[in-house]
Amino acid sequence: GNSVTQMEGPVTLSEEAFLTINCTYTATGYPSLFWYVQYPGEGLQLLLKATKADDKGSNKGFEATYRKETTSFHLEKGSVQVSDSAVYFCALGSDYKLSFGAGTTVTVRA
Amino acid sequence: NAGVTQTPKFRILKIGQSMTLQCTQDMNHNYMYWYRQDPGMGLKLIYYSVGAGITDKGEVPNGYNVSRSTTEDFPLRLELAAPSQTSVYFCASSYSTGSGANVLTFGAGSRLTVL
Repeated sequence: GNSVTQMEGPVTLSEEAFLTINCTYTATGYPSLFWYVQYPGEGLQLLLKATKADDKGSNKGFEATYRKETTSFHLEKGSVQVSDSAVYFCALGSDYKLSFGAGTTVTVRA
Repeated sequence: NAGVTQTPKFRILKIGQSMTLQCTQDMNHNYMYWYRQDPGMGLKLIYYSVGAGITDKGEVPNGYNVSRSTTEDFPLRLELAAPSQTSVYFCASSYSTGSGANVLTFGAGSRLTVL
């Protein structure tokens, strides 16, 4: 079956630091890959997505590239801000459903 | 544009009680979903629906029931609440892209505690 494994947290960074959250997946077929973000007390919001191998999703300074050869979709941001503090979820989309990773809590200190 | 609306936001239940979590969307999405979120476990799919009158089980359906009588509404019913159902519940909806790569829009969540 489909599954997603993402880097365990929590992750604590200083403002302007580089952020990487690792995500790998197991799937049959050709899934789509997503990163969702959850701010405190809110539901999940789509951050970015990629629908096929070598696609790069990007949004708000975040990027992730769909790597079929390594079955990975790592999230990166070059310079984080306090407002990026949130829980980040990697997800795999197949058959109109999403399978989520466990989530990584990121805290950015001023 | 309300998006996905869930009620109630918070609820405390006693063991053995029943309740319904309400979910409605105003985006005319044909797909709707219920997930539960437990600490360190990510989100697990409980039930989903591909259109009015059609529902199907997800990963963790036991102890729950759903119905989809209209496109807009997708209530989740808990019968005989148990402490293991203490969780945060999220409803979501999406439209079909034809590729299986649906982008989900989530509600704000309903925090349920069973004591």
